[in-house]
Amino acid sequence: DAKTTQPTSMDCAEGRAANLPCNHSTISGNEYVYWYRQIHSQGPQYIIHGLKNNETNEMASLIITEDRKSSTLILPHATLRDTAVYYCIVISGTSYGKLTFGQGTILTVHP
Amino acid sequence: DAGITQSPRHKVTETGTPVTLRCHQTENHRYMYWYRQDPGHGLRLIHYSYGVKDTDKGEVSDGYSVSRSKTEDFLLTLESATSSQTSVYFCAITEGYPGPQETQYFGPGTRLLVL
Repeated sequence: DAKTTQPTSMDCAEGRAANLPCNHSTISGNEYVYWYRQIHSQGPQYIIHGLKNNETNEMASLIITEDRKSSTLILPHATLRDTAVYYCIVISGTSYGKLTFGQGTILTVHP
Repeated sequence: DAGITQSPRHKVTETGTPVTLRCHQTENHRYMYWYRQDPGHGLRLIHYSYGVKDTDKGEVSDGYSVSRSKTEDFLLTLESATSSQTSVYFCAITEGYPGPQETQYFGPGTRLLVL
């Protein structure tokens, strides 16, 4: 699976959009980009995933560049409860569910 | 919430003692996973199961064994706990075959301290 690179930490004001970048320059054509997050002392939580097209659900939007080498997770109106570690991972058909999380981005939402 | 519970949620034990952690799911999902999470190492797969009595090793399986005698329960056993097994342990499930579009859902975790 392709390796991902994320900033170590980011800050965001409550009510503003949080834009979390992820670089996955070695991604191959059949690999999906997934985002999970982990709020302190809880289990990881799925947010969103995509292959080529931009995706949106009730939690977030995922913007994937045309060359698929990077993506951005957007939380449109961040709240204090969105403070968490956000993980960007790439999953292929051969992953068979075996996730590997790196260090992720610590997002802190300020009042 | 995919109906996943873990027990115990916290445990303190001594080196050399056996420890069993339980993962229970209520929705008859076929695929279940055990991960450990440590500072500086992220989340790492220990063992996984693809059905009753069907299990396989993950990335960091040494010192751990698993059993799955019924669909709803996946047990992780540390035969003789060591301090290096102090960690937070997460159970996860996938609702279907774990292909690239299959989301994993995680339990709340078990914090294990081995003294």
